[in-house]
Amino acid sequence: DTAVSQTPKYLVTQMGNDKSIKCEQNLGHDTMYWYKQDSKKFLKIMFSYNNKELIINETVPNRFSPKSPDKAHLNLHINSLELGDSAVYFCASSHVRSATNEKLFFGSGTQLSVL
Amino acid sequence: QQQVKQSPQSLIVQKGGISIINCAYENTAFDYFPWYQQFPGKGPALLIAIRPDVSEKKEGRFTISFNKSAKQFSLHIMDSQPGDSATYFCAASNSGGYQKVTFGTGTKLQVIP
Repeated sequence: DTAVSQTPKYLVTQMGNDKSIKCEQNLGHDTMYWYKQDSKKFLKIMFSYNNKELIINETVPNRFSPKSPDKAHLNLHINSLELGDSAVYFCASSHVRSATNEKLFFGSGTQLSVL
Repeated sequence: QQQVKQSPQSLIVQKGGISIINCAYENTAFDYFPWYQQFPGKGPALLIAIRPDVSEKKEGRFTISFNKSAKQFSLHIMDSQPGDSATYFCAASNSGGYQKVTFGTGTKLQVIP
């Protein structure tokens, strides 16, 4: 059983298109995240949701809109895709307010290529 | 602003050697320092972590050394193996409230036979 699964694995699209990435976790965690990893491997947090409530919203263009229908799912919708959006997007989860709440569990990533 | 600085960017080590990756942080509110290991095509996975109340933590061949006064911590991989070849990220967070993990820039380790 995959703990944090995200789809699709690869996403190739044209500039200006709108696309979504889906994430699901079966760990019973209450907090989910989206991270962006650029071509230099730098990992940067974009958003975090705790029990469907947005708690971290970094400086991200408003073309990026996260949605959490329930605490096991966190989706990322991107409007009007730009070349600079090309990156690997990772979903992650953790359980806040537990003894080991800091441990992040990552999905395998979605490689987005904007042409 | 890069709150966690990591070096070197890349590292080549002979099999059986010691790999050492260093990190420095600025925010004194950080109280949890994990290291993540990432293989190509995979997400990062927690390798080992330390809190500032201890100066060293060892798990198998992996050891974290922590120097609170210098605001530095490092990962030592003893008896490095080709299977250790991966990208390693140090990180830091403040466990109070909702954690926001700040990652270092990553070190690509290659262990050659």
